[in-house]
Amino acid sequence: IAGITQAPTSQILAAGRRMTLRCTQDMRHNAMYWYRQDLGLGLRLIHYSNTAGTTGKGEVPDGYSVSRANTDDFPLTLASAVPSQTSVYFCASRRLAATTGELFFGEGSRLTVL
Amino acid sequence: AQSVTQLGSHVSVSEGALVLLRCNYSSSVPPYLFWYVQYPNQGLQLLLKYTSAATLVKGINGFEAEFKKSETSFHLTKPSAHMSDAAEYFCAVSDSRADGLTFGKGTHLIIQP
Repeated sequence: IAGITQAPTSQILAAGRRMTLRCTQDMRHNAMYWYRQDLGLGLRLIHYSNTAGTTGKGEVPDGYSVSRANTDDFPLTLASAVPSQTSVYFCASRRLAATTGELFFGEGSRLTVL
Repeated sequence: AQSVTQLGSHVSVSEGALVLLRCNYSSSVPPYLFWYVQYPNQGLQLLLKYTSAATLVKGINGFEAEFKKSETSFHLTKPSAHMSDAAEYFCAVSDSRADGLTFGKGTHLIIQP
């Protein structure tokens, strides 16, 4: 089934450790996004990529980095995790950037930083 | 800048009753509007979207929403609630210049038996 695959599903991490959340899509979508979901705050955009080789900052980019080496993969890295980064992270994609198309979401990665 | 306000973090209705989830948006250009549903421990699934065609939009699972430009609203309704409708609902806005969607804070729908 076509879609977005995120890994890991869940992770507990010690503060200060480096962590990479993986995201792969097989829909050949050009645009990809990382959101974090926190209770009472909804979903907030961390970083995005409109096409392979380009990335941009969203609403809450501090402490996170991304890369887009190819169309399918869009990993999110926490260089030195802090407890405030405890959240559920969602990767999403859509066929073209800045269009009317909806986003397709992965199942999420639940991260706990202790 | 665009924004979304969802009125009511929690809404409780009886099974069989009308469901009304409120969403107001702010956008300096014609918006594109979306409703997503999230079941526990799952990702977000599109319910319906408005992209400047008909103002009354029908979605999956019997939900519909009406775009009202004069009220800057895009409220979600369902005539008769079912237990399986219990979930988190998110309204989102985009425009032709935006990167991604801007989401509201969500409304948790509770269905009372």
